[in-house]
Formats: sequence, C-alpha cells, structure tokens
Amino acid sequence: EAQVTQNPRYLITVTGKKLTVTCSQNMNHEYMSWYRQDPGLGLRQIYYSMNVEVTDKGDVPEGYKVSRKEKRNFPLILESPSPNQTSLYFCASSPTPGTGVNEQYFGPGTRLTVT
Amino acid sequence: GESVGLHLPTLSVQEGDNSIINCAYSNSASDYFIWYKQESGKGPQFIIDIRSNMDKRQGQRVTVLLNKTVKHLSLQIAATQPGDSAVYFCAENPPKGYSTLTFGKGTMLLVSP
Repeated sequence: EAQVTQNPRYLITVTGKKLTVTCSQNMNHEYMSWYRQDPGLGLRQIYYSMNVEVTDKGDVPEGYKVSRKEKRNFPLILESPSPNQTSLYFCASSPTPGTGVNEQYFGPGTRLTVT
Repeated sequence: GESVGLHLPTLSVQEGDNSIINCAYSNSASDYFIWYKQESGKGPQFIIDIRSNMDKRQGQRVTVLLNKTVKHLSLQIAATQPGDSAVYFCAENPPKGYSTLTFGKGTMLLVSP
C-alpha cells in the first residue's frame, strides 16, 4: 500500500530534550516536506526537500532541523524543544519535480506536547 | 486531530444537500490549486486539483471552480453525505518553488443525517 508513515504518533516530552520524528514514504517520491498544524493558523511548512541531500527552509523553520540521506526518509529533529513547538506535525511527499504534478500525500500526523 | 476545527468557519448542511465551500487565495501568480479533506485524527487527503488555465474541473460528486479575477476558489459537493463531514482546505502553489503549497485556514463541514 502506497503511504507515508510517521513515528511516533503521539509524544509528550520536556523542554530541552532532543527528539526526532521519523517520516518514511514508499512511493519513490523525490519531494518531501514537514508541516505543523495549529488551531487558527492552518498548515505551515517547516522544511522541505527536493531530493536526497537537498533541503530548504519553509515558512517556520526556527527550532527545527531535517536531513535527507535516503530518498524514502525525511526525519524532523528538534534539538531543544520548547513549549511553543507543541503542535500537530505532518509529513508529506510528492512525485517527481517537473512533471507538474504537485499533489502531496500526507502522513497520519504526530501530536507533540512539550512541557 | 480534534483541535484542528477550533476557530474555523463552519458550514452545516443536511444530508443530501449540495455544499459549497469557498476559499480566497493570496497570490495572483499561483498556477495550481488543490482541495484537501481532513477528517478528525487524520492527515489531509487530496480531493481534487485545478490548474490556472482552467476555470472548472469535475470529479466524482465534487466540482472545483476557479475565478482568477477575484482570486477565489470554491468546492462544490453534490448530495452531501455524513461521511463528508471534515475540515476542507484549499492550497495554492505560488511561484516561489515547485511543490511548495500555501494552505488556507480551512472550513469545517458538518453534515447532519
């Protein structure tokens, strides 16, 4: 089954404790992206990656890091989480750049709470 | 999740009615638009898309209309069903980058049996 998977689905942590949220897709997509979703603010892009070893900042990158060492994986790293990073996070992937197909497939979400 | 629906405009309809959800987009240079559906506790799911060289596109029970003059998108759902209850987002692809999507805030659709 074609899908985007995220782990963990739920995470409660404390301020300053490094964490990683994993994202994996099995559709051989080149493009991957991370979003956060907050009430009243909608979906905002954190980082995206056009291909392996290519990453770029989205609209709200502060406090986050990403890496793209393999095509299928795009982990989101919070080196020192803070309470304002409490949110619902979504990973998404999209087919080959240049084809004009921009539909993004979303994972199930990770609900993060930082106390 | 459940908190996604807070602060959103809400459209309440009866089962069988036609629903129209509206969206104003921000960038007149955007050339691609998508509607997504998000059910409680799930990620957004693609419904239908439209390119800027079109003004209407139809899918199964859904139609998207694009009015570039006023930067407006609408999603029409025919014969709305309780399973259509969800938050609906429009997204635009502005010219700043391939696959970069800017999402609207969303509209919650509630369908009563």
